[in-house]
Amino acid sequence: AQSVTQLGSHVSVSEGALVLLRCNYSSSVPPYLFWYVQYPNQGLQLLLKYTTGATLVKGINGFEAEFKKSETSFHLTKPSAHMSDAAEYFCAVSEASGTYKYIFGTGTRLKVLA
Amino acid sequence: DTGVSQDPRHKITKRGQNVTFRCDPISEHNRLYWYRQTLGQGPEFLTYFQNEAQLEKSRLLSDRFSAERPKGSFSTLEIQRTEQGDSAMYLCASSRGVLDEQYFGPGTRLTVT
Repeated sequence: AQSVTQLGSHVSVSEGALVLLRCNYSSSVPPYLFWYVQYPNQGLQLLLKYTTGATLVKGINGFEAEFKKSETSFHLTKPSAHMSDAAEYFCAVSEASGTYKYIFGTGTRLKVLA
Repeated sequence: DTGVSQDPRHKITKRGQNVTFRCDPISEHNRLYWYRQTLGQGPEFLTYFQNEAQLEKSRLLSDRFSAERPKGSFSTLEIQRTEQGDSAMYLCASSRGVLDEQYFGPGTRLTVT
Protein backbone atom coordinates (compact mmCIF):
# COMPACT_ATOMS: atom_id res chain seq x y z
CA ALA A 1 0.00 0.00 0.00
CA GLN A 2 1.14 3.49 -0.70
CA SER A 3 1.90 5.95 2.06
CA VAL A 4 3.36 9.42 2.44
CA THR A 5 5.34 10.78 5.36
CA GLN A 6 5.90 14.47 5.86
CA LEU A 7 8.53 15.12 8.51
CA GLY A 8 7.71 18.13 10.64
CA SER A 9 4.11 19.15 11.10
CA HIS A 10 5.27 22.72 11.72
CA VAL A 11 8.23 24.48 10.12
CA SER A 12 9.32 28.05 10.84
CA VAL A 13 11.73 30.01 8.67
CA SER A 14 12.80 33.62 8.55
CA GLU A 15 11.77 35.75 5.61
CA GLY A 16 14.44 35.37 2.93
CA ALA A 17 15.68 32.03 4.27
CA LEU A 18 15.63 28.67 2.50
CA VAL A 19 12.42 26.68 2.72
CA LEU A 20 12.77 22.89 2.89
CA LEU A 21 9.71 20.72 3.40
CA ARG A 22 10.33 16.99 3.50
CA CYS A 23 8.28 14.25 1.89
CA ASN A 24 9.03 10.54 1.74
CA TYR A 25 6.78 7.99 0.14
CA SER A 26 6.38 4.27 -0.15
CA SER A 27 5.02 2.72 -3.29
CA SER A 28 5.40 -0.63 -4.96
CA VAL A 29 5.29 0.94 -8.41
CA PRO A 30 6.72 4.17 -9.81
CA PRO A 31 4.42 6.84 -8.46
CA TYR A 32 3.24 10.20 -9.55
CA LEU A 33 4.11 12.84 -6.94
CA PHE A 34 2.53 16.18 -6.13
CA TRP A 35 2.85 19.13 -3.79
CA TYR A 36 -0.24 21.18 -2.98
CA VAL A 37 -0.63 24.32 -0.89
CA GLN A 38 -3.69 25.15 1.18
CA TYR A 39 -4.46 28.61 2.49
CA PRO A 40 -6.98 29.00 5.33
CA ASN A 41 -10.55 28.16 4.34
CA GLN A 42 -9.53 27.41 0.77
CA GLY A 43 -9.12 24.33 -1.36
CA LEU A 44 -5.81 22.88 -2.44
CA GLN A 45 -3.74 24.52 -5.15
CA LEU A 46 -1.14 22.58 -7.11
CA LEU A 47 2.43 23.79 -6.66
CA LEU A 48 4.16 21.21 -8.83
CA LYS A 49 4.04 17.60 -9.97
CA TYR A 50 6.29 14.79 -11.09
CA THR A 51 4.93 12.19 -13.47
CA THR A 52 7.72 11.28 -15.88
CA GLY A 53 10.89 12.82 -17.29
CA ALA A 54 13.15 15.30 -15.52
CA THR A 55 13.42 14.55 -11.83
CA LEU A 56 13.86 18.20 -10.85
CA VAL A 57 10.55 19.92 -11.32
CA LYS A 58 9.81 23.60 -11.01
CA GLY A 59 6.50 24.93 -9.87
CA ILE A 60 4.70 28.13 -9.16
CA ASN A 61 5.82 30.85 -6.77
CA GLY A 62 9.49 29.84 -7.01
CA PHE A 63 9.08 26.36 -5.54
CA GLU A 64 10.83 23.28 -6.87
CA ALA A 65 11.15 19.65 -5.88
CA GLU A 66 13.42 16.76 -6.82
CA PHE A 67 12.26 13.17 -7.22
CA LYS A 68 14.92 10.86 -5.78
CA LYS A 69 13.93 7.28 -6.40
CA SER A 70 16.81 5.81 -4.38
CA GLU A 71 15.74 7.82 -1.34
CA THR A 72 12.00 7.58 -2.04
CA SER A 73 11.85 11.31 -1.46
CA PHE A 74 10.25 14.35 -3.06
CA HIS A 75 11.32 17.29 -0.91
CA LEU A 76 10.00 20.78 -1.64
CA THR A 77 12.36 23.76 -1.63
CA LYS A 78 12.32 27.48 -2.21
CA PRO A 79 15.52 29.54 -2.04
CA SER A 80 14.01 32.56 -0.30
CA ALA A 81 10.87 32.54 1.82
CA HIS A 82 8.27 35.26 1.50
CA MET A 83 5.62 36.17 4.03
CA SER A 84 2.97 35.09 1.54
CA ASP A 85 4.34 31.52 1.62
CA ALA A 86 2.84 30.96 5.05
CA ALA A 87 0.32 28.17 4.52
CA GLU A 88 -0.13 24.42 4.86
CA TYR A 89 1.65 22.21 2.37
CA PHE A 90 0.64 18.69 1.41
CA CYS A 91 2.65 16.06 -0.40
CA ALA A 92 0.61 13.47 -2.30
CA VAL A 93 1.33 10.29 -4.23
CA SER A 94 -0.76 8.40 -6.72
CA GLU A 95 -0.19 5.13 -8.51
CA ALA A 96 0.38 5.46 -12.21
CA SER A 97 -2.62 3.24 -12.90
CA GLY A 98 -6.18 2.54 -11.83
CA THR A 99 -8.09 5.44 -10.37
CA TYR A 100 -5.03 7.64 -9.82
CA LYS A 101 -6.46 8.62 -6.46
CA TYR A 102 -4.16 10.59 -4.19
CA ILE A 103 -2.70 9.48 -0.89
CA PHE A 104 -1.79 12.58 1.09
CA GLY A 105 0.67 13.20 3.86
CA THR A 106 -0.49 14.84 7.06
CA GLY A 107 0.74 18.23 5.97
CA THR A 108 3.36 20.74 7.08
CA ARG A 109 2.34 24.16 8.30
CA LEU A 110 4.91 26.73 7.21
CA LYS A 111 5.36 29.86 9.29
CA VAL A 112 7.45 32.73 7.92
CA LEU A 113 8.98 35.06 10.48
CA ALA A 114 9.62 38.71 9.70
CA ASP B 1 -12.29 27.37 -16.97
CA THR B 2 -14.27 28.44 -13.95
CA GLY B 3 -12.77 25.89 -11.60
CA VAL B 4 -14.38 23.27 -9.41
CA SER B 5 -17.28 24.60 -7.36
CA GLN B 6 -18.90 23.12 -4.29
CA ASP B 7 -22.14 23.95 -2.57
CA PRO B 8 -22.76 24.71 0.20
CA ARG B 9 -19.49 26.03 1.58
CA HIS B 10 -20.61 25.49 5.15
CA LYS B 11 -23.26 23.23 6.65
CA ILE B 12 -24.24 22.93 10.28
CA THR B 13 -26.61 20.10 11.08
CA LYS B 14 -27.87 18.22 14.07
CA ARG B 15 -26.90 14.65 14.69
CA GLY B 16 -29.21 12.26 12.92
CA GLN B 17 -30.11 14.59 10.07
CA ASN B 18 -29.32 13.91 6.42
CA VAL B 19 -27.14 16.25 4.39
CA THR B 20 -26.29 16.49 0.71
CA PHE B 21 -23.37 18.25 -0.90
CA ARG B 22 -22.93 19.16 -4.53
CA CYS B 23 -19.79 19.35 -6.66
CA ASP B 24 -19.56 20.86 -10.12
CA PRO B 25 -16.30 19.81 -11.79
CA ILE B 26 -14.49 21.59 -14.56
CA SER B 27 -16.63 20.99 -17.62
CA GLU B 28 -14.34 18.81 -19.74
CA HIS B 29 -13.09 16.72 -16.81
CA ASN B 30 -14.43 13.17 -16.79
CA ARG B 31 -12.68 12.06 -13.60
CA LEU B 32 -14.17 13.17 -10.29
CA TYR B 33 -12.98 12.46 -6.74
CA TRP B 34 -14.32 13.07 -3.24
CA TYR B 35 -12.00 13.42 -0.26
CA ARG B 36 -12.55 14.11 3.42
CA GLN B 37 -10.20 16.25 5.48
CA THR B 38 -10.30 16.41 9.26
CA LEU B 39 -8.45 18.93 11.40
CA GLY B 40 -4.71 18.46 11.29
CA GLN B 41 -4.84 15.74 8.67
CA GLY B 42 -4.35 15.48 4.97
CA PRO B 43 -7.33 14.72 2.74
CA GLU B 44 -8.41 11.09 2.61
CA PHE B 45 -9.89 9.49 -0.48
CA LEU B 46 -13.59 8.63 -0.34
CA THR B 47 -14.73 7.75 -3.83
CA TYR B 48 -13.99 8.09 -7.54
CA PHE B 49 -16.14 8.51 -10.64
CA GLN B 50 -15.16 8.16 -14.25
CA ASN B 51 -17.95 9.83 -16.14
CA GLU B 52 -21.12 8.53 -14.46
CA ALA B 53 -19.60 5.27 -13.20
CA GLN B 54 -18.52 5.03 -9.57
CA LEU B 55 -15.41 2.88 -9.88
CA GLU B 56 -13.96 2.90 -6.40
CA LYS B 57 -15.18 3.49 -2.86
CA SER B 58 -12.99 3.75 0.22
CA ARG B 59 -13.67 1.73 3.33
CA LEU B 60 -14.19 5.15 4.94
CA LEU B 61 -17.44 5.38 2.99
CA SER B 62 -19.84 3.62 5.32
CA ASP B 63 -23.36 2.57 4.36
CA ARG B 64 -24.58 5.98 5.49
CA PHE B 65 -22.67 7.64 2.66
CA SER B 66 -23.77 7.60 -0.95
CA ALA B 67 -22.46 9.43 -3.97
CA GLU B 68 -23.81 9.88 -7.45
CA ARG B 69 -22.77 11.51 -10.67
CA PRO B 70 -25.78 11.42 -12.98
CA LYS B 71 -24.98 12.03 -16.64
CA GLY B 72 -21.31 12.35 -15.78
CA SER B 73 -21.54 16.01 -14.90
CA PHE B 74 -22.07 17.28 -11.35
CA SER B 75 -21.83 14.94 -8.37
CA THR B 76 -23.62 14.73 -5.05
CA LEU B 77 -22.46 13.24 -1.78
CA GLU B 78 -25.17 12.39 0.74
CA ILE B 79 -24.66 11.48 4.36
CA GLN B 80 -27.61 9.91 6.14
CA ARG B 81 -28.12 9.95 9.91
CA THR B 82 -25.11 12.19 10.48
CA GLU B 83 -22.83 11.57 13.44
CA GLN B 84 -20.42 13.94 15.18
CA GLY B 85 -17.56 12.01 13.68
CA ASP B 86 -18.72 13.10 10.23
CA SER B 87 -17.66 16.67 11.01
CA ALA B 88 -14.96 17.46 8.46
CA MET B 89 -14.16 19.33 5.27
CA TYR B 90 -15.44 17.48 2.21
CA LEU B 91 -13.37 18.19 -0.86
CA CYS B 92 -14.21 17.50 -4.48
CA ALA B 93 -11.60 17.31 -7.21
CA SER B 94 -11.66 16.69 -10.94
CA SER B 95 -9.14 15.90 -13.63
CA ARG B 96 -9.10 15.45 -17.36
CA GLY B 97 -6.67 12.60 -17.89
CA VAL B 98 -4.31 10.25 -16.16
CA LEU B 99 -1.27 12.53 -16.41
CA ASP B 100 -3.22 15.59 -15.35
CA GLU B 101 -3.33 16.84 -11.82
CA GLN B 102 -6.52 17.01 -9.81
CA TYR B 103 -8.14 20.42 -9.43
CA PHE B 104 -9.77 20.90 -6.05
CA GLY B 105 -12.85 22.83 -5.10
CA PRO B 106 -13.02 25.06 -2.02
CA GLY B 107 -14.68 22.33 0.02
CA THR B 108 -17.81 22.01 2.13
CA ARG B 109 -17.23 22.28 5.84
CA LEU B 110 -19.68 20.09 7.76
CA THR B 111 -20.30 20.58 11.45
CA VAL B 112 -22.51 18.05 13.21
CA THR B 113 -23.81 19.23 16.59
